[in-house]
Amino acid sequence: TQLLEQSPQFLSIQEGENLTVYCNSSSVFSSLQWYRQEPGEGPVLLVTVVTGGEVKKLKRLTFQFGDARKDSSLHITAAQPGDTGLYLCAGRTTSGTYKYIFGTGTRLKVLA
Amino acid sequence: DAGVIQSPRHEVTEMGQEVTLRCKPISGHDYLFWYRQTMMRGLELLIYFNNNVPIDDSGMPEDRFSAKMPNASFSTLKIQPSEPRDSAVYFCASSWDRVSRGYTFGSGTRLTVV
Repeated sequence: TQLLEQSPQFLSIQEGENLTVYCNSSSVFSSLQWYRQEPGEGPVLLVTVVTGGEVKKLKRLTFQFGDARKDSSLHITAAQPGDTGLYLCAGRTTSGTYKYIFGTGTRLKVLA
Repeated sequence: DAGVIQSPRHEVTEMGQEVTLRCKPISGHDYLFWYRQTMMRGLELLIYFNNNVPIDDSGMPEDRFSAKMPNASFSTLKIQPSEPRDSAVYFCASSWDRVSRGYTFGSGTRLTVV
């Protein structure tokens, strides 16, 4: 069974601070995605990373895929209250089937 | 595009009753997924379809759960009989199989079994 562990589980920070969320596994993934979920809604895709070592930037968010494609990180610069939500990583299995396994989630709260 | 549409948004039922959750995927998407989300277990994949055919149902908890996709625009997830431990938010998602594409999720059905 492929598992994705995220850390930290909970994070509460002040507006303007920086933060990093981690997503780790002992398994290799062919691609990895990050989603953000707000209360009462489904997760919304932020980014997909495919190549080991790949870095993608989305405004104040920076995503990195580990060289061995087993881990990933999400860094937010100058966090804003609008960044509040549940952040989920999801890894695509390498078994040949098209399915993503979701991580345990990081619940972020940014205080104004 | 209206996105993935799920109904109902909320469902409260008594233990032992049959529950049917419904999903309309985005037109043109050839994959459909059913997930269940709880605080304890996070987001779990129950089953997914490709071109209306079930591909992987290894996440379906037990025989009380069944899912169908009679056509490209409609899917159901049925629980019969329902139990309190089935209480969760159930999400439907659809997608194309393109590496850069993610899943588009519906808003979910919050199921409470009392």
